[in-house]
Amino acid sequence: AQKITQTQPGMFVQEKEAVTLDCTYDTSDPSYGLFWYKQPSSGEMIFLIYQGSYDQQNATEGRYSLNFQKARKSANLVISASQLGDSAMYFCAMRETGNQFYFGTGTSLTVIP
Amino acid sequence: DGGITQSPKYLFRKEGQNVTLSCEQNLNHDAMYWYRQDPGQGLRLIYYSQIVNDFQKGDIAEGYSVSREKKESFPLTVTSAQKNPTAFYLCASSIGSGSPWTDTQYFGPGTRLTVL
Repeated sequence: AQKITQTQPGMFVQEKEAVTLDCTYDTSDPSYGLFWYKQPSSGEMIFLIYQGSYDQQNATEGRYSLNFQKARKSANLVISASQLGDSAMYFCAMRETGNQFYFGTGTSLTVIP
Repeated sequence: DGGITQSPKYLFRKEGQNVTLSCEQNLNHDAMYWYRQDPGQGLRLIYYSQIVNDFQKGDIAEGYSVSREKKESFPLTVTSAQKNPTAFYLCASSIGSGSPWTDTQYFGPGTRLTVL
């Protein structure tokens, strides 16, 4: 079974609107962390936001927030007030108590002026 | 400035040649990782190292080798045994201590390898 599933290969959003990128995960480990990365066309993976399994509140970092629904095993990224520079690939990842990160296949976001 | 550097940015190799990709970090991180990314794909783990002089194979280690002689450096050699080496290679590092599930990975800018 896939550890991380991103079902939206491509998304479009109007500039200044909010957008939600979906991520579901599969784990039986009670301790895990969820991460979102942005990959612009230059290729570098940029860390955006982190949510721990024991965190009671949803993580927020500037215009990024993580909608963490533990019972549904989902960790959706919400980008508010989209900007043209937000156009990129977005990857969801998870780490359990072991050494390996598990990455999803990514969602391509295009911001339309 | 703290960060991760990878060199070169672009690398061309003839079939049958070994090539080494450089990865250096000055973040004082214990753990380092190498990933491969193919077009339209996610990241696949090649090798990782939690501490100097120790490393473990990831999901796709065949045809690759690494060394970890210094904390700051984790070079990756793509050998001639790797059948389809053309890809984008990303190096990452993390603190490597504390609760594993909180250990954020930070990435370098990547090296794009093309086999001619």
